[in-house]
Amino acid sequence: GEDVEQSLFLSVREGDSSVINCTYTDSSSTYLYWYKQEPGAGLQLLTYIFSNMDMKQDQRLTVLLNKKDKHLSLRIADTQTGDSAIYFCAESGHGGSQGNLIFGKGTKLSVKP
Amino acid sequence: GAVVSQHPSRVICKSGTSVKIECRSLDFQATTMFWYRQFPKQSLMLMATSNEGSKATYEQGVEKDKFLINHASLTLSTLTVTSAHPEDSSFYICSARGEKLFFGSGTQLSVL
Repeated sequence: GEDVEQSLFLSVREGDSSVINCTYTDSSSTYLYWYKQEPGAGLQLLTYIFSNMDMKQDQRLTVLLNKKDKHLSLRIADTQTGDSAIYFCAESGHGGSQGNLIFGKGTKLSVKP
Repeated sequence: GAVVSQHPSRVICKSGTSVKIECRSLDFQATTMFWYRQFPKQSLMLMATSNEGSKATYEQGVEKDKFLINHASLTLSTLTVTSAHPEDSSFYICSARGEKLFFGSGTQLSVL
């Protein structure tokens, strides 16, 4: 079945770059997403990438997609303490429906001063 | 930007009671809303798709008689957890489809 895997924890120092990795199984996914969840809050869409792209950059965020290996990564440059949160990778699954997302378990990013 | 409001943010109830959670799209109409459940250290799991004016579509393994979904208007969907049990304690999040998929802030349900 469809599955999304990501490591559970990542710890970096303030100012360093963070790279959060994700692998997925459904090659028919149209979009792949990165969401951020701060404590006690809902999910915030950070960025997304269309499956025919291999890179997307948005300010401090860089998304890399290796469709052959079904590997997605999120790089946060100059990581700040405010970036501490749980980051979820998600794929759109069959049909590309935005609602029917398949989420990973989330990577908890801890940023140390 | 578009906002989805979810209420309440936290609820504690006694076992056997029912709890209603509201999800509102504040500045856009959402014909489709989604309800998710998140257990600690687990991924978000889609529970059901709520369609305005029609019956909700439930994911496999989700009891429709226990998790009642009503989408009576284009801006409001409700999830009612009926006869709640301690194992229903979880974090419930809704989302609404506008130009993107927007999420509510979640409801932490604790059943005593």
